[in-house]
Amino acid sequence: EAEVAQSPRYKITEKSQAVAFWCDPISGHATLYWYRQILGQGPELLVQFQDESVVDDSQLPKDRFSAERLKGVDSTLKIQPAELGDSAMYLCASSSPGQAKNIQYFGAGTRLSVL
Amino acid sequence: LAKTTQPISMDSYEGQEVNITCSHNNIATNDYITWYQQFPSQGPRFIIQGYKTKVTNEVASLFIPADRKSSTLSLPRVSLSDTAVYYCLVGNTGTASKLTFGTGTRLQVTL
Repeated sequence: EAEVAQSPRYKITEKSQAVAFWCDPISGHATLYWYRQILGQGPELLVQFQDESVVDDSQLPKDRFSAERLKGVDSTLKIQPAELGDSAMYLCASSSPGQAKNIQYFGAGTRLSVL
Repeated sequence: LAKTTQPISMDSYEGQEVNITCSHNNIATNDYITWYQQFPSQGPRFIIQGYKTKVTNEVASLFIPADRKSSTLSLPRVSLSDTAVYYCLVGNTGTASKLTFGTGTRLQVTL
């Protein structure tokens, strides 16, 4: 079964450093999502791509977060500079609008710890 | 976006049927109801989706009354491995669909 790939699985960084997360969606999925999940809470959508275009980034803290999907396939989420409050799980998901249900498939996530 | 309300936690013994109810009073006409399961340190996993009446797959059943203001996820004969957080979401399945997760229901299954 095809999966959404994310790397790294774990990242420890110091405050004010830059970090980047990578996501490779399921082949053929045009829609890609980045979520942030704080421990004990549900995932919160940060940004949504349709192919290479941003559809929704209303919850993305744009002063420090950036996301790109240059060729409409894999995607990178960057934080610069990282703050203590950024410690969370960062999840990537993809879906295919062509599917009747448009179900989102999630990767295993990247757990970020900011020290 | 329709807001959902679920119990924060539930406990069950292995082998029992578990029913988790979700309220979504302001669901829109073109919204579907979708349930996800999440284990610790993993991403959410799709369980089941429905629009009205009843949907059943190999994992669960989803019951939706005529007014669609609530839905119930039914897990038959749960096992220890069903211990997880279950999220109920409502939204349409269009290209710009957006899922809004709540805090979910934490199900604990014991022997």
